[in-house]
Amino acid sequence: AQKVTQAQTEISVVEKEDVTLDCVYETRDTTYYLFWYKQPPSGELVFLIRRNSFDEQNEISGRYSWNFQKSTSSFNFTITASQVVDSAVYFCALSDSNAGGTSYGKLTFGQGTILTVHP
Amino acid sequence: DSGVTQTPKHLITATGQRVTLRCSPRSGDLSVYWYQQSLDQGLQFLIQYYNGEERAKGNILERFSAQQFPDLHSELNLSSLELGDSALYFCASSASSGASYNEQFFGPGTRLTVL
Repeated sequence: AQKVTQAQTEISVVEKEDVTLDCVYETRDTTYYLFWYKQPPSGELVFLIRRNSFDEQNEISGRYSWNFQKSTSSFNFTITASQVVDSAVYFCALSDSNAGGTSYGKLTFGQGTILTVHP
Repeated sequence: DSGVTQTPKHLITATGQRVTLRCSPRSGDLSVYWYQQSLDQGLQFLIQYYNGEERAKGNILERFSAQQFPDLHSELNLSSLELGDSALYFCASSASSGASYNEQFFGPGTRLTVL
């Protein structure tokens, strides 16, 4: 069975600090996809990034960066110079891939990390 | 705005009742997913439809059912409601193939409160 673990339940930082959100996953699939979603106080889920299991390149998008390490089954998310608007719940998710090779795409989510950025 | 719409935004009902949640996917998306978010269970996958057909099922209760209509909108029906069904229900849609490499775009959710 697939599993995603976000060990940090809550993180509190002061604005401009860097913060890293950890994500560890378990899967028996050789092909899989990892995602990060943001859930701001308004409640909607906002897609941030997708990474496939064949691509271990790190990615940077503005103040956001992601570090994917297959050897440790981790897909960590770093926010540089955090801002109050970054306050939200962040979810790491793993996408399903069945044995027949046809992907259905259902997401297995971690429990989420509540990030609070103080001014 | 993700382009996925859900109605209603809020729903308050009593135990034993039946409700229907509605979702319209993004234009062109054939795949619709339903998720439940609760404090004790977190975000859990319920069911997926692709172009009108059921594709995958998660831990969806027998009291719950869903369907996708020819115009691609989807409805999630919850019956014999219990207090524990109170949750935020999300609908998501993804690009045509429904393959796992397509990110899912989530609607704003329907908050269901069962009293």
